Amino acid sequence: NAGVTQTPKFQVLKTGQSMTLQCAQDMNHEYMSWYRQDPGMGLRLIHYSVGAGITDQGEVPNGYNVSRSTTEDFPLRLLSAAPSQTSVYFCASSAPAGSTYEQYFGPGTRLTVT
Amino acid sequence: RKEVEQDPGPFNVPEGATVAFNCTYSNSASQSFFWYRQDCRKEPKLLMSVYSSGNEDGRFTAQLNRASQYISLLIRDSKLSDSATYLCVVISWAAGNKLTFGGGTRVLVKP
Repeated sequence: NAGVTQTPKFQVLKTGQSMTLQCAQDMNHEYMSWYRQDPGMGLRLIHYSVGAGITDQGEVPNGYNVSRSTTEDFPLRLLSAAPSQTSVYFCASSAPAGSTYEQYFGPGTRLTVT
Repeated sequence: RKEVEQDPGPFNVPEGATVAFNCTYSNSASQSFFWYRQDCRKEPKLLMSVYSSGNEDGRFTAQLNRASQYISLLIRDSKLSDSATYLCVVISWAAGNKLTFGGGTRVLVKP
């Protein structure tokens, strides 16, 4: 199993450009989510999905779109990049099972918007 | 007030010593608690769950104090490899399985 994969690992964008961060998991997990991590801020939830065709907003959804057409893939789209979106983005997946709720994270995408 | 708060540290710990730190949460409906470890420029990984009665995993001990709304992590006999940032995670099932991360506590173990 590859687990959770993310591409690209690094990206530099100019203000106003759009792009899609890719995320895929091969563990058949229902729950997938996107976080951004900024210094001293911890991980903040952007969007999440509890299954194919179902998405919802997290804590900081503005400027981002998601879709979940398959169980495996959960891409995050930046509509019009802004310097405030400079961050490290993590995708995660999990399969709730009783009281265990382990999140499996991808390696992250480091995005710089100039 | 943040929902989940941690002392950012760093906690500078001599190798072999014991270090402990807390994480406070504000939502009394929180029901599940975890500690994650994050190495520099890497993704977070689950370290251990936190059970109501407290639990150990080798040199790591996690405790939950519901009355005072905090969880703690204690590391005994610290190793150089324990240097990392430790994130607490709180889940509120009543809020639709919402996970909230603390900002992390950085631990530096030195020879």
